[in-house]
Amino acid sequence: GESVGLHLPTLSVQEGDNSIINCAYSNSASDYFIWYKQESGKGPQFIIDIRSNMDKRQGQRVTVLLNKTVKHLSLQIAATQPGDSAVYFCAEDPGYSTLTFGKGTMLLVSP
Amino acid sequence: GAGVSQSPSNKVTEKGKDVELRCDPISGHTALYWYRQSLGQGLEFLIYFQGNSAPDKSGLPSDRFSAERTGGSVSTLTIQRTQQEDSAVYLCASSLRRLNTGELFFGEGSRLTVL
Repeated sequence: GESVGLHLPTLSVQEGDNSIINCAYSNSASDYFIWYKQESGKGPQFIIDIRSNMDKRQGQRVTVLLNKTVKHLSLQIAATQPGDSAVYFCAEDPGYSTLTFGKGTMLLVSP
Repeated sequence: GAGVSQSPSNKVTEKGKDVELRCDPISGHTALYWYRQSLGQGLEFLIYFQGNSAPDKSGLPSDRFSAERTGGSVSTLTIQRTQQEDSAVYLCASSLRRLNTGELFFGEGSRLTVL
């Protein structure tokens, strides 16, 4: 389940479970969205992106869902592994020069 | 190397001192970004360089912060008269072209601690 950690919401799952990380974005004009994974002590790493003319996109073990009506983005990770433990950020491109990042969700995967 | 390189990886300084953080982007990437990440927080945009265009400085929190990019490649972020609230990880990212057509590649960050 989800719990609020010191600063970040945290999702704790068992290895092999499917994980769903949610994100609410703020700007209805945003037309491009990215999910990033950040492991401890490292910079964020691109996972998957989606444009606003799509509502679903699949990658390897990951799926991103976009609901523009309620400005909601989710990242689904299938068969979660311990190596998936990290902080996950959603980011939106509102058409300015840069991305706007969410605060992140920490995913903890227990063996 | 092939990725975005940042230095120093860790910097401890005293309040009031100036610091310089360096970013070496991926070769050929025309766009370069600086972000700040405080403990347990998301990424806060600071400044954006695109080719030879004037940088977008709209995210710089005060006039103590400045950045330059020489020759369209290496960038330096300078923080003058550092304050304790400047303590954070400063992340640099580059991309091949403007967003919406490509992803950002991040460095591992420079962790700044102001005592």
